[in-house]
Amino acid sequence: AQSVTQLGSHVSVSEGALVLLRCNYSSSVPPYLFWYVQYPNQGLQLLLKYTSAATLVKGINDFEAEFKKSETSFHLTKPSAHMSDAAEYFCAVSDPHNFNKFYFGSGTKLNVKP
Amino acid sequence: EPEVTQTPSHQVTQMGQEVILRCVPISNHLYFYWYRQILGQKVEFLVSFYNNEISEKSEIFDDQFSVERPDGSNFTLKIRSTKLEDSAMYFCASRVGANTGELFFGEGSRLTVL
Repeated sequence: AQSVTQLGSHVSVSEGALVLLRCNYSSSVPPYLFWYVQYPNQGLQLLLKYTSAATLVKGINDFEAEFKKSETSFHLTKPSAHMSDAAEYFCAVSDPHNFNKFYFGSGTKLNVKP
Repeated sequence: EPEVTQTPSHQVTQMGQEVILRCVPISNHLYFYWYRQILGQKVEFLVSFYNNEISEKSEIFDDQFSVERPDGSNFTLKIRSTKLEDSAMYFCASRVGANTGELFFGEGSRLTVL
């Protein structure tokens, strides 16, 4: 079975500061991992995904995440926050042999202060 | 860019009424999904659909729920007799094939049951 834990339901950073959103997963098989972003009143948009290739994954808008098996983590980072990054971010895990289910974390709302 | 579209964006209904939420998945996708997000909670898997039949469903997806692909483009979720606790954002998603991990989500349909 798979599950995801996102530490911190709310994260606040200043514009230009580093963004770090934490995600830890639990999986009985090597997982596929995803970060999705949800802007206000919009759907879920894929930021990036890990599918057993390179452990450092780059996504859209300068976001990246690193798969660390030893730490069962897939934290999302961005070197410099923009006001437009304010949104809710969801980490998700999937069994590569059963794509029918994605397990989402509870989400982290990112606030960017001017 | 192809996208998943959902209608209506918001529906208000009385408890006990039937509701149909509609989705048009991306045209060459073969796997279809419904997820829901109760306000402030996780995004939860409801059901997956492939080759004109349900391939997997969660414990949430009880007899009050049904899905259908009535034609070559639409994918619908019907709630037969809505309950207050059905109030949520319902997301439709699709993916292209069996070995492709990424889900493409629609913008969601917000259902409010009074």
